[in-house]
Amino acid sequence: GDSVTQMEGPVTLSEEAFLTINCTYTATGYPSLFWYVQYPGEGLQLLLKATKADDKGSNKGFEATYRKETTSFHLEKGSVQVSDSAVYFCALFSGNTPLVFGKGTRLSVIA
Amino acid sequence: EAGVAQSPRYKIIEKRQSVAFWCNPISGHATLYWYQQILGQGPKLLIQFQNNGVVDDSQLPKDRFSAERLKGVDSTLKIQPAKLEDSAVYLCASSFWQGNTGELFFGEGSRLTVL
Repeated sequence: GDSVTQMEGPVTLSEEAFLTINCTYTATGYPSLFWYVQYPGEGLQLLLKATKADDKGSNKGFEATYRKETTSFHLEKGSVQVSDSAVYFCALFSGNTPLVFGKGTRLSVIA
Repeated sequence: EAGVAQSPRYKIIEKRQSVAFWCNPISGHATLYWYQQILGQGPKLLIQFQNNGVVDDSQLPKDRFSAERLKGVDSTLKIQPAKLEDSAVYLCASSFWQGNTGELFFGEGSRLTVL
């Protein structure tokens, strides 16, 4: 079945450091890919998405590119802030199955 | 626009007791989902409703879990009797329609601790 594998955390970075959180997927067909974020004390919210190969999703300085050849959707940000501290979930949706999430990666950014 | 509302935010019960969680989705959203998020894991779908009909409940432990959405708006998830392994955050989400692209709107969750 469809699945998502993302790098295990926690990830601890200093402010202004470069962030990469790896995500790879297994799916039949052509899924849409998502990054959701969960800030402390809040619900999950959509961060960015990409619906087809080579699409780049971006939001709040975060980017991820849908790479069909490597079945990947890595999340990147050039300069993280303390306010980016959260748990990040990679997810896929293939239309016939419900949204499938990875296990989540906790990011802590220290000043 | 009001978001997805859930209650209670926290609940502590002993095993074999029962518990119920309530969710009110965003106005106009026809599709409602209940997810279970165990610590250290990603959310797992328990049940999906389209209006007041069940679309997918294949991962719902039906011997102890039940859910309803009688009028196609708010929903209740019940666990009876609870087991230790049911300790988790129960997330409710909604979307405008079933055939969406996977963009869900989540509530803050209801954290259950079973002792």
